[in-house]
Amino acid sequence: DTAVSQTPKYLVTQMGNDKSIKCEQNLGHDTMYWYKQDSKKFLKIMFSYNNKELIINETVPNRFSPKSPDKAHLNLHINSLELGDSAVYFCASSPTGTEDDSYTFGSGTRLTVV
Amino acid sequence: AQSVTQLDSQVPVFEEAPVELRCNYSSSVSVYLFWYVQYPNQGLQLLLKYLSGSTLVESINGFEAEFNKSQTSFHLRKPSVHISDTAEYFCAVSGRGFNKFYFGSGTKLNVKP
Repeated sequence: DTAVSQTPKYLVTQMGNDKSIKCEQNLGHDTMYWYKQDSKKFLKIMFSYNNKELIINETVPNRFSPKSPDKAHLNLHINSLELGDSAVYFCASSPTGTEDDSYTFGSGTRLTVV
Repeated sequence: AQSVTQLDSQVPVFEEAPVELRCNYSSSVSVYLFWYVQYPNQGLQLLLKYLSGSTLVESINGFEAEFNKSQTSFHLRKPSVHISDTAEYFCAVSGRGFNKFYFGSGTKLNVKP
């Protein structure tokens, strides 16, 4: 049983398109996250939701919009894709979202914009 | 704000040799520190963490890390590495208040036979 699952695993698309990445966790965690890992392996938080409520919204272009229909799901929609959006996007969850929590990560979605 | 520096982008080492992966952090408040491991084409997995108490923490597969407050470091060590330890290792510090991790840029450990 996969604890945090992301779909799709790979996504190749043209500039200007709109795409979504889905994430689901079956751990019963309250908090979910989206992180972006760039080509130099830097991981940076994008969004965090706690019980469907947006908690963290880092400096991310408005083209990125997270949606959490329930606390087990956090999807990421990206409008008007640009070349610079190419990266690996990781979904993660943690039990409560407190500072001593540890994350459970999904296996990532490799997005390539051509 | 917090930040993490991993000084070595790559560490090549022979099997059964000891290894140390360096991590330094910067923070104006108390922190919690973590090491995550990423195997090829997989997500990150928690290796070990320091929250409080003993400054030496251990993982189940033989890694250990020591929190050194005066040197603001949290170096990861293993006395004898295996081929299967080949992976990318990320040090992270959690921000105060709501959980937000700051990750280092990663160290690629390459264990050679």
